Amino acid sequence: EDKVVQSPLSLVVHEGDTVTLNCSYEVTNFRSLLWYKQEKKAPTFLFMLTSSGIEKKSGRLSSILDKKELFSILNITATQTGDSAVYLCAVYTGANSKLTFGKGITLSVRP
Amino acid sequence: DVKVTQSSRYLVKRTGEKVFLECVQDMDHENMFWYRQDPGLGLRLIYFSYDVKMKEKGDIPEGYSVSREKKERFSLILESASTNQTSMYLCASSSDSNQPQHFGDGTRLSIL
Repeated sequence: EDKVVQSPLSLVVHEGDTVTLNCSYEVTNFRSLLWYKQEKKAPTFLFMLTSSGIEKKSGRLSSILDKKELFSILNITATQTGDSAVYLCAVYTGANSKLTFGKGITLSVRP
Repeated sequence: DVKVTQSSRYLVKRTGEKVFLECVQDMDHENMFWYRQDPGLGLRLIYFSYDVKMKEKGDIPEGYSVSREKKERFSLILESASTNQTSMYLCASSSDSNQPQHFGDGTRLSIL
């Protein structure tokens, strides 16, 4: 059974801190790993990673994949209160479009 | 921008009712998906569809069915609603299996 595990499940930081969110996976036929941010409504897409060691970056957010050790990290630097959200990690497996999600990490950024 | 629209944000129904949740996407995407999201369990796939009239079971299809009569519309049907189907339901679409899925805002369904 495909499994995606995120850690920690929740964390609280102060504005300006840097945070690292972890995602490990055990799946058959890995194709790609995705990160989403979910505030009150729809999860919004952040990154899609298919190759090891290549960092993807968008503003203060960055992410990297390690296909040998089967994990990914999402970094957020200089956190702001608007970064408070649930961060979801998901993995595409197999020939179809099935995504397997982790349970999410709840990030709270205090002023 | 991709737009995935779910017909209701909040819905309250009674046990035993037949419930329809509607989802429409405006980007001519081939693939559409229905998930439910529960605290501590994350997102779980109920059903998905690769094309019109096509459907595939996800991880938790029991108690649900789907309909895809037109490419842009994917409906989730609760045949006889039960209280354990109280949840947040999320619809998503993607252009192909190498692209991200885009989500609607969700329907928070309560079964009393």
